[in-house]
Amino acid sequence: GAGVSQSPSNKVTEKGKDVELRCDPISGHTALYWYRQSLGQGLEFLIYFQGNSAPDKSGLPSDRFSAERTGGSVSTLTIQRTQQEDSAVYLCASSSLADTQYFGPGTRLTVL
Amino acid sequence: GNSVTQMEGPVTLSEEAFLTINCTYTATGYPSLFWYVQYPGEGLQLLLKATKADDKGSNKGFEATYRKETTSFHLEKGSVQVSDSAVYFCALARRDTGGGNKLTFGTGTQLKVEL
Repeated sequence: GAGVSQSPSNKVTEKGKDVELRCDPISGHTALYWYRQSLGQGLEFLIYFQGNSAPDKSGLPSDRFSAERTGGSVSTLTIQRTQQEDSAVYLCASSSLADTQYFGPGTRLTVL
Repeated sequence: GNSVTQMEGPVTLSEEAFLTINCTYTATGYPSLFWYVQYPGEGLQLLLKATKADDKGSNKGFEATYRKETTSFHLEKGSVQVSDSAVYFCALARRDTGGGNKLTFGTGTQLKVEL
């Protein structure tokens, strides 16, 4: 079956611009996670959605980062006024409740 | 808070050598433990997991045992192949009150297997 998909696969942007990253989870998975993989910080949790509950935003590094999940399916991670330290690979994962997380291929973001 | 410490790489081995990648963790309660693998140019894939003390996870010849007394989850394989070259991440998840299972990762260990 189809796995987690993410788009775009690569994004190059200029400092100060806003970017949107998309995640399409596995059909039927109620939980969706965003992580960031960077050279300096390794793999770190950003935000978690579960069904219609309020998201767990405890990992978002600043208020420039936000995410939404429409209709309990597709999610968009938005970074406003991008900075060079935002350059990283952004990973999305989905799971059934409390089950194994399956990861997408990631979006490589480069901020010039 | 939760944390995972794993051995730094790169680890370079000859084909058919024995592999150990050490992983220790700090967490309250009883986390689930995972090894994820990232092959070159690919996304993270679950390699194996263990959800309680003394459980052994295994897959593709890899094994890891959940050791609560030493807070460890070392990855082992008896005979590595060139195709095992990848970055290996140890991770833990502890279910929070909201039902989430967010993962805390180690820094990753790059494995290179040579002929």
